[in-house]
This record gives sequence, C-alpha cells and structure tokens, in this order.
Amino acid sequence: AQSVTQLGSHVSVSEGALVLLRCNYSSSVPPYLFWYVQYPNQGLQLLLKYTTGATLVKGINGFEAEFKKSETSFHLTKPSAHMSDAAEYFCAVSESNTGKLIFGQGTTLQVKP
Amino acid sequence: GAVVSQHPSRVICKSGTSVKIECRSLDFQATTMFWYRQFPKQSLMLMATSNEGSKATYEQGVEKDKFLINHASLTLSTLTVTSAHPEDSSFYICSVWTGSNQPQHFGDGTRLSIL
Repeated sequence: AQSVTQLGSHVSVSEGALVLLRCNYSSSVPPYLFWYVQYPNQGLQLLLKYTTGATLVKGINGFEAEFKKSETSFHLTKPSAHMSDAAEYFCAVSESNTGKLIFGQGTTLQVKP
Repeated sequence: GAVVSQHPSRVICKSGTSVKIECRSLDFQATTMFWYRQFPKQSLMLMATSNEGSKATYEQGVEKDKFLINHASLTLSTLTVTSAHPEDSSFYICSVWTGSNQPQHFGDGTRLSIL
C-alpha cells in the first residue's frame, strides 16, 4: 500500500529564507508524486508534479522538488520565502490506475517578516 | 489542467435539511471526479470516487445513503448531504482527474455549516 509522510506539521521561516518541506513516500510501484498548496478556505492548487523523466521538478511560484528514489523522498524547496507563501502544503502520491491520491498530513508554513 | 468550479462556496442551513453541492469541470470531459471532506487543520479525507454514468465508489466508513453522489454528465458531479446534522458540518472539496499520471484539479470547496 502507498503512504506519504510529511515530517513537521508546522514550519516557520523568515521572509527571504530557504523553505524546505519534507515528504517521504512508500510505494511498491514507480510513484507519481505531487505537491499542492492550500490557502485558507480554498481548494488545493497544484504546485508541481513528478511522473517520469527529470528528477528535479520545477513548479509555480518558484518552488521545486527533487525525486530521490534511493531515499524515497520528494522534498519541496524554495530559495527565498515570501509572505504570500504562508499556507498549508500537502504532498501526495497517486494510484496511477485509479487516480486516487494518498495525501500526507500537511505542513503549515509560516513566514515571519 | 482542468478548471473546476464548485458551488456553493458556503452554505448554512438547519438540521434536517438536505444540501446539494455541485462540482463542474469547465474545460474537460471528466469521467472521474472525487469528493473529499476536510476537518479543520487536517488533511483531506477521500469520501468517494464519482464515475460518470455509473454508481459512485464509496470509501470505507462513508455512508452512501447519507452522501448521495450523482455524475450524470461528463461535466457535472453533485454531492447531496441528506438530512444533514451538525456533525456533517465540514469543508467539502471536489476534484477532477484528467487521466493516467495526471494530477487531480480541485474546486474551491464548500463550507457547510449545519445549525
């Protein structure tokens, strides 16, 4: 069975600092991996995805993530945090034949001025 | 990706009322949609997979007679919370799946409050 673990339910960084949100997955088949962002009282917006090919994936708003098979990780990074990045972030792995997503528990990113 | 419209964004109603939430895929013919429920400060909980032209597939523990799902066209799925009670108050979110190795695209959610 597939699963996702996000280490750290709450991450706080200063504006301009590096953002690192951790995600580890468990999958018996090559995974499809996604990062979503959720702002208060809104749905989820896709930040980036990994399916096949290049393991370093660039997404919207300056975010990127690297698929590391040996570490079963898909950590999300951004070189310089903006106040507008404060939100809830979800890592997810997909069951390719059904489209179902298995979500991590989420990480709240706080950005301090 | 698909553009998903969910309506209403917020609804407040009395206990015992049935509430219908609509999820529309505006630019993609969606054979598969999903319905989620989200409690405060928690992750999304999958309720059911909505299949166009057939019965929805419910996750374990979700009452199918309580949460009626209809997916009669490729652009519309509806979730009806029947005889809603305060414990049904939650944030409900739908999504559209555009096919193999593709992400889900989400609506903006519906905040349901039952008094």
